[in-house]
Amino acid sequence: NAGVTQTPKFRILKIGQSMTLQCTQDMNHNYMYWYRQDPGMGLKLIYYSVGAGITDKGEVPNGYNVSRSTTEDFPLRLELAAPSQTSVYFCASSPTSGAEETQYFGPGTRLLVL
Amino acid sequence: SQKIEQNSEALNIQEGKTATLTCNYTNYSPAYLQWYRQDPGRGPVFLLLIRENEKEKRKERLKVTFDTTLKQSLFHITASQPADSATYLCALPLSGGSYIPTFGRGTSLIVHP
Repeated sequence: NAGVTQTPKFRILKIGQSMTLQCTQDMNHNYMYWYRQDPGMGLKLIYYSVGAGITDKGEVPNGYNVSRSTTEDFPLRLELAAPSQTSVYFCASSPTSGAEETQYFGPGTRLLVL
Repeated sequence: SQKIEQNSEALNIQEGKTATLTCNYTNYSPAYLQWYRQDPGRGPVFLLLIRENEKEKRKERLKVTFDTTLKQSLFHITASQPADSATYLCALPLSGGSYIPTFGRGTSLIVHP
């Protein structure tokens, strides 16, 4: 199993540009999450999904959008990039049961908005 | 929602000593608490989970305690090695009844040979 994969690894965007961060998991997990991590800070939840077709906002959803058309994929869309979105983005997934399940993280996407 | 406090200063210790990291939370008592390890440039990796009715949990050289009265968890690494150098994050549910975890900002551990 590849686990959770993310692409791209690194990207530079200009202010106002848009892009999609890709996330795929091959563990058949229902729950998927997007976090951002700023230097020296903890992980902040952006959006999460409890299954295909179901998404919900996390702590910092402004400026982002998500969709979940399949169990495997959970892309994160930035519509109008702003310098405040410079960060490292992590996608994670967890098994079906929820509450006490651990999360499996991808390697991250480093985004720089100039 | 839950607020988590982890020491932002790096912990420097000598190889062979026991490292102790602290995670304090300020609001409701969670049903469980998790510890993750994060290496530079990588995603966090799960280490241990401890439930509210468990005082202590062990896994090899790792030990976690959970004191709901103090609202605190301690994470211990015994016989520490330079390879244990990393940032350690604690995580607990975002709010009561939630299954969505919220993370502390982590504490960096540096083990000197």
